[in-house]
Amino acid sequence: DIVMTQSPDSLPVSLGERATINCKSSQSVVHSSNNKNYLAWYQQKPGQPPKLLISWASTRESGVPDRFSGSGSGTDFTLTISSLQAEDVAVYYCQQYHSSPLTFGPGTKVDIK
Amino acid sequence: EVQLVESGGGLVQPGGSLRLSCAASGFTFNDFAMHWVRQGPGRGLEWVSGISWNGANMGYADSMKGRISISRDNAKSSLYLEINSLRPEDTAFFFCVKGANWNLGAFDFWGQGTLVTVSS
Repeated sequence: DIVMTQSPDSLPVSLGERATINCKSSQSVVHSSNNKNYLAWYQQKPGQPPKLLISWASTRESGVPDRFSGSGSGTDFTLTISSLQAEDVAVYYCQQYHSSPLTFGPGTKVDIK
Repeated sequence: EVQLVESGGGLVQPGGSLRLSCAASGFTFNDFAMHWVRQGPGRGLEWVSGISWNGANMGYADSMKGRISISRDNAKSSLYLEINSLRPEDTAFFFCVKGANWNLGAFDFWGQGTLVTVSS
């Protein structure tokens, strides 16, 4: 199984400042057939289901603000919020969909400093 | 508008069984893989099971393998999850989730979830 880890567990950030979340997979999530990274990022606000923000490691979903960006390849990935807004307070999860069982990271809680 | 509406959760005794259902609308159901993801109280997300667009391929999490069975009825745009031998640690919200494509893809739409509580 591919194990996903995230750091930090908790991230207090001042409004307008940058937030950076790291995600690491225990093995590469690049598919040899298409050279794509099978890595997604989700945002979950309290009392709500998760929302897909980014797929293929760096492709932002329609309607997601451009302050959210994803980067990385292979086993190391980053989600960046360039300028934190109050509505970005949430738990963020990375997920690999390269191979079954599909696995999530443990989550990073982002709140206001 | 994509909608995923789960049902079938509730209070069940340890050792009992449940059948969760998910009614899908707003997209061509038989074009996409579907999944179940669970989240225990105050815990993270755990993929439980997934099924390909035509039902030919299924996958299961090791933690529940042997106790669960996923199925779909494309004519009814519905997804199901049978869970047997329920344990207190299975207490969780179970989310019905749409895959972004027919096989391996991100999870682009989530239902609100149905709560399964296992307790005597």
